[in-house]
Amino acid sequence: DGGITQSPKYLFRKEGQNVTLSCEQNLNHDAMYWYRQDPGQGLRLIYYSQIVNDFQKGDIAEGYSVSREKKESFPLTVTSAQKNPTAFYLCASSWKLNTEAFFGQGTRLTVV
Amino acid sequence: EDKVVQSPLSLVVHEGDTVTLNCSYEVTNFRSLLWYKQEKKAPTFLFMLTSSGIEKKSGRLSSILDKKELSSILNITATQTGDSAIYLCAGGMEYGNKLVFGAGTILRVKS
Repeated sequence: DGGITQSPKYLFRKEGQNVTLSCEQNLNHDAMYWYRQDPGQGLRLIYYSQIVNDFQKGDIAEGYSVSREKKESFPLTVTSAQKNPTAFYLCASSWKLNTEAFFGQGTRLTVV
Repeated sequence: EDKVVQSPLSLVVHEGDTVTLNCSYEVTNFRSLLWYKQEKKAPTFLFMLTSSGIEKKSGRLSSILDKKELSSILNITATQTGDSAIYLCAGGMEYGNKLVFGAGTILRVKS
């Protein structure tokens, strides 16, 4: 089935550790995105990529890093520099920038 | 600063009621207005509107964009408990790089 797969669904991190969230899509979409969702707030863009080997910072990129080595994959690393990483992270893809985006099931990250 | 504001923030109705959710936007080089439904995890796409005044319908859901008023509404008629969700509105840019999301409206439909 076509779609976007995020893993893991739940992730616990100790303070000071880096963690990587996986996002894979088999929709043949060029554009991929990472959003963060906090209670009572809308989705905020962390990073986006419109083509392989290219990515751009979104509104809240500090403390995060990404790579886009393959069209299908857009992993997000939450580094120890991110001061408040506990949140729900959503990955999305679209056939090009700003068209209808499809979302994965999300990863809930908790810092313990 | 680009922003999207949704109202109300939350809403409780009874099955069978009709609801109207509001979305206003200030988005640079505005191109499109999108509505999503988020039940537990992944937001699912409902509508994308690019032309003013044209109504898009899918079953009991419909939406209209008013470019003059920089706003959109999402109507749900004959609500069901399965309509309970967060409804997200987002503005897309013509030459930009992102969708600007509102905070969402939490809808709860009681049986």
